[in-house]
Amino acid sequence: AQSVAQPEDQVNVAEGNPLTVKCTYSVSGNPYLFWYVQYPNRGLQFLLKYITGDNLVKGSYGFEAEFNKSQTSFHLKKPSALVSDSALYFCAVRAPSGGSYIPTFGRGTSLIVHP
Amino acid sequence: NAGVTQTPKFQVLKTGQSMTLQCAQDMNHNSMYWYRQDPGMGLRLIYYSASEGTTDKGEVPNGYNVSRLNKREFSLRLESAAPSQTSVYFCASSESPLAPQETQYFGPGTRLLVL
Repeated sequence: AQSVAQPEDQVNVAEGNPLTVKCTYSVSGNPYLFWYVQYPNRGLQFLLKYITGDNLVKGSYGFEAEFNKSQTSFHLKKPSALVSDSALYFCAVRAPSGGSYIPTFGRGTSLIVHP
Repeated sequence: NAGVTQTPKFQVLKTGQSMTLQCAQDMNHNSMYWYRQDPGMGLRLIYYSASEGTTDKGEVPNGYNVSRLNKREFSLRLESAAPSQTSVYFCASSESPLAPQETQYFGPGTRLLVL
């Protein structure tokens, strides 16, 4: 079975500082990993994904994520946080084959960027 | 393109009442999904439809039924609403049913309150 853990319910960061939102996963085989963002009263929006290749993936709004196979992690990062980045962030994993292609989502991490 | 649309945006029901949540997508996607989002629980899959004419149970199907009316539309029905079904419901779609690298596209959600 596949699973995703987002160990922090909330992350607080000052505007202009770097931010990291953590995600670890468990899946058989090489994973497909996703980050989505949810702004208040909105649906989820795709940010970025890792399929294969370069471990550093760049996505929308200046976000990037680093795939680390040995640590089974896919942390979301941004060099300089904006107040407008405040939102709920979800990590998701999909198994590449041999099982359900349905993604499993983490519980979400609330990012709060203080002015 | 409107993407994924959901109706209604908000609904209040009394225990035992029934209702249908509507979802439509205009991206010619094959797969569609219904999720519920509860605080601290993340997104949980209720039902999904890999392609037109097929539906399958997800993680939390009890108390719900679905209909894939055509390729565009996927409805979720609560036959006898219970307070435990108070939640935010999201519909999503993706292009291919057997491609785990596919991104999902989400609707804006339906907030349901069952009294």
